[in-house]
Amino acid sequence: GAVVSQHPSRVICKSGTSVKIECRSLDFQATTMFWYRQFPKKSLMLMATSNEGSKATYEQGVEKDKFLINHASLTLSTLTVTSAHPEDSSFYICSARLGEQYFGPGTRLTVT
Amino acid sequence: DAKTTQPPSMDCAEGRAANLPCNHSTISGNEYVYWYRQIHSQGPQYIIHGLKNNETNEMASLIITEDRKSSTLILPHATLRDTAVYYCIVLRNFGNEKLTFGTGTRLTIIP
Repeated sequence: GAVVSQHPSRVICKSGTSVKIECRSLDFQATTMFWYRQFPKKSLMLMATSNEGSKATYEQGVEKDKFLINHASLTLSTLTVTSAHPEDSSFYICSARLGEQYFGPGTRLTVT
Repeated sequence: DAKTTQPPSMDCAEGRAANLPCNHSTISGNEYVYWYRQIHSQGPQYIIHGLKNNETNEMASLIITEDRKSSTLILPHATLRDTAVYYCIVLRNFGNEKLTFGTGTRLTIIP
């Protein structure tokens, strides 16, 4: 199947700093990518839909100014968590669509 | 999208068939049934999907009842690597629809 990568796989940052997470479709082009967040022992929650060349569509309750999404090319979407706080600590997962949705391996963010 | 109901957890002995049920009694005629699984600390993995016919691939079989109100995912010979949370998702058009994950079934394969 298609491969989606994420970088970094794990990151620790201090409260108040910003963190950028990259999502790449390695062997296909994706006009649409999705960003999810997953808290421990909880299910995945869709945060936003990232559209190449246009603004992302955010789910209700997700702050677009805090979670900046950029989908600058057909193989790359980035999620920037701005002014991170400990409550932003979570597992962030992206996916890209090629028929089915293919998911990245996830990025574990810890904010201290 | 139709809501799904799955048991929160199941155990299965290694080497036996694992049968994971899913109820989707409000499914409409143009909605597909998709199954994904998530192994601990990894991204979800697509398993299989179907509309009304039974489907089989190298990973699993999907049995959909005639009235389409429920389905069963079958892992024919479960291994320890199949321990994961399994999600049953119903949606109309996979290309344009968003995946909404419920709580899934936590399947534990017992040696």
